[in-house]
Amino acid sequence: KNQVEQSPQSLIILEGKNCTLQCNYTVSPFSNLRWYKQDTGRGPVSLTIMTFSENTKSNGRYTATLDADTKQSSLHITASQLSDSASYICVVSDKTGANNLFFGTGTRLTVIP
Amino acid sequence: NAGVMQNPRHLVRRRGQEARLRCSPMKGHSHVYWYRQLPEEGLKFMVYLQKENIIDESGMPKERFSAEFPKEGPSILRIQQVVRGDSAAYFCASSPLGGGEQFFGPGTRLTVL
Repeated sequence: KNQVEQSPQSLIILEGKNCTLQCNYTVSPFSNLRWYKQDTGRGPVSLTIMTFSENTKSNGRYTATLDADTKQSSLHITASQLSDSASYICVVSDKTGANNLFFGTGTRLTVIP
Repeated sequence: NAGVMQNPRHLVRRRGQEARLRCSPMKGHSHVYWYRQLPEEGLKFMVYLQKENIIDESGMPKERFSAEFPKEGPSILRIQQVVRGDSAAYFCASSPLGGGEQFFGPGTRLTVL
């Protein structure tokens, strides 16, 4: 069964600190993995997209890693800001069809001053 | 280039009424996806449409729910005879190609009293 699991479910950190969010998946055949940021009351916005051959990709203070062998991904946030408070969703795509996205339930990050 | 637009942003209905949710995709996008997000849960796929065609409706309940994407105008998700369990955030996404990156709208929050 194709699944995407994220941990932790929620996280509270102090402003300026770093944090790492985890994503494990069983989706096969794997096509790509995306991390989305979803602010409260808004739709998800793409942060990074990684294909099978990519191990790491950065977008500003966000760095995503992918280990396709162990089917794990992480999203590292450096020097967190209050505006980073949001849900971070891991989405994995397979190759079986045009609609092929499997969503994790997200990690709710709260950055406090 | 405006992003994906959804309206209304908030919709309140009484049990038994009909709810109509609208989605205008990004300019140049001919593929539309509808998702439902229950509180504290991840996004769940409902239906995938291309202009005038339903490509995949495997995630949509067989009764009371329908979707269309006419040649002209927005995509419509219709829920007839709403029940309290239909209360959720409904997100629309669009892509220029089937299987391409999806861009999400801000969502419609449906509350059934």
